[in-house]
Amino acid sequence: KNQVEQSPQSLIILEGKNCTLQCNYTVSPFSNLRWYKQDTGRGPVSLTIMTFSENTKSNGRYTATLDADTKQSSLHITASQLSDSASYICVVGGGYNKLIFGAGTRLAVHP
Amino acid sequence: DAGITQSPRHKVTETGTPVTLRCHQTENHRYMYWYRQDPGHGLRLIHYSYGVKDTDKGEVSDGYSVSRSKTEDFLLTLESATSSQTSVYFCATSGEETRSDTQYFGPGTRLTVL
Repeated sequence: KNQVEQSPQSLIILEGKNCTLQCNYTVSPFSNLRWYKQDTGRGPVSLTIMTFSENTKSNGRYTATLDADTKQSSLHITASQLSDSASYICVVGGGYNKLIFGAGTRLAVHP
Repeated sequence: DAGITQSPRHKVTETGTPVTLRCHQTENHRYMYWYRQDPGHGLRLIHYSYGVKDTDKGEVSDGYSVSRSKTEDFLLTLESATSSQTSVYFCATSGEETRSDTQYFGPGTRLTVL
């Protein structure tokens, strides 16, 4: 069964600190892995997208890594800001128009 | 939100009534998608469209139908709403299919079925 599991479910950090979110997947076939940020009451917004041959991709203070052998990905947030408070969703692309979404990690950044 | 609007943004309806949600895009994207998002679950695909009048089912299509008569509009209809269809519905678009392009999401419609 195709699954995407994210951990932790929720996380609280202090402003300025770093954090890492985890994503494990069992999806076949695999085409790409994406990280989305979803602010409360808004639609998800793409942060990064990586194919099988890419093992790291950055978008500002966000850095995603991919280990296709162990089927794991992480999203590292550097020097967190209050505006980073959101849900972060890991999404794995399978076959034609097939995306499997994780349930998300809810991050709260406190001053 | 990449030129994607959804209407209405909020709706409360009663069990058994028909409901239509509208997604409008200004990106001229070929592909359009309807998802639902429920607490504790990832987004789940209801239906998608790969062109005008071309649609296909997603993983949770029972009780839903869609129509796309113009590139810019994608309608989701609940023929007879049930309480299990209470959810937040998101429309998304992409220029290419998802193996080669990212998706852009609308702001969502919160639907409550009493």
